[in-house]
Amino acid sequence: DQQVKQNSPSLSVQEGRISILNCDYTNSMFDYFLWYKKYPAEGPTFLISISSIKDKNEDGRFTVFLNKSAKHLSLHIVPSQPGDSAVYFCAASELEYGNKLVFGAGTILRVKS
Amino acid sequence: DAGVIQSPRHEVTEMGQEVTLRCKPISGHDYLFWYRQTMMRGLELLIYFNNNVPIDDSGMPEDRFSAKMPNASFSTLKIQPSEPRDSAVYFCASSAGSPTGRGVFGPGTRLTVL
Repeated sequence: DQQVKQNSPSLSVQEGRISILNCDYTNSMFDYFLWYKKYPAEGPTFLISISSIKDKNEDGRFTVFLNKSAKHLSLHIVPSQPGDSAVYFCAASELEYGNKLVFGAGTILRVKS
Repeated sequence: DAGVIQSPRHEVTEMGQEVTLRCKPISGHDYLFWYRQTMMRGLELLIYFNNNVPIDDSGMPEDRFSAKMPNASFSTLKIQPSEPRDSAVYFCASSAGSPTGRGVFGPGTRLTVL
C-alpha cells in the first residue's frame, strides 16, 4: 500500500511554460514533505521542502504547494528549462525530526526546447 | 567532501550468487540509509542506521538481504542468494541530525541478476 503516490509517470512541457508535478498522500500524520530531483546515472538531490504549518514554499523557480485537507501537494516550476528534465520524487514523513521518509514512485519531466 | 561514495557502480551476477554493495557516507553524517529503486515501486527505503546502529529494517524484503555498518564511515548491503527480481538500482544516502534531513544520495549501484 503506497502512502505517497505520484499518479503521473511522465509529463512533457514546452520550455518557458509552467511544469506542475503532483503528489498525493494517504497518511494524515505526515507533516513534512520534500521534493527530490534525479538525473540519469546520478542519485536524487534535494530540491525543496515544506512543513505542514505552511501551505506554500518558494525557492527561485520552484514552488511547492500543500493542501492538507486534500492530502495533496504539488511542485510548480516556472519557467521550465530543458535542464529541468529529470525524475522528480515526492517524499513525506510523520515528523520533521524523528521519522523516516516515504517516497513516491517518481514523475519523469521532459522539457522540450 | 567527495559526497556519498558507492561501489561498485554496476554489478552483473548470476542467480544464486552473493552480492555485496558498499557505501561510504559523508563524514560527520550520523544517519545512513539504503534505498532500492525500481520502475514499479520507485524509491523504497530498505534500512537505516543511526550512529552505526540499525534503527528500522522493516523495508528489507527478505532474509536474503542483510546490512551492516561496522563503523561511521562504511556500510554494506548484502544479498545472498541473489535472484533476478533483485535487479534494481540501490542507493545509499546519509544525513546529519535527522532521518528526514536533506539526505545526500550516492550515485547508486545498478544491480543486474541474470
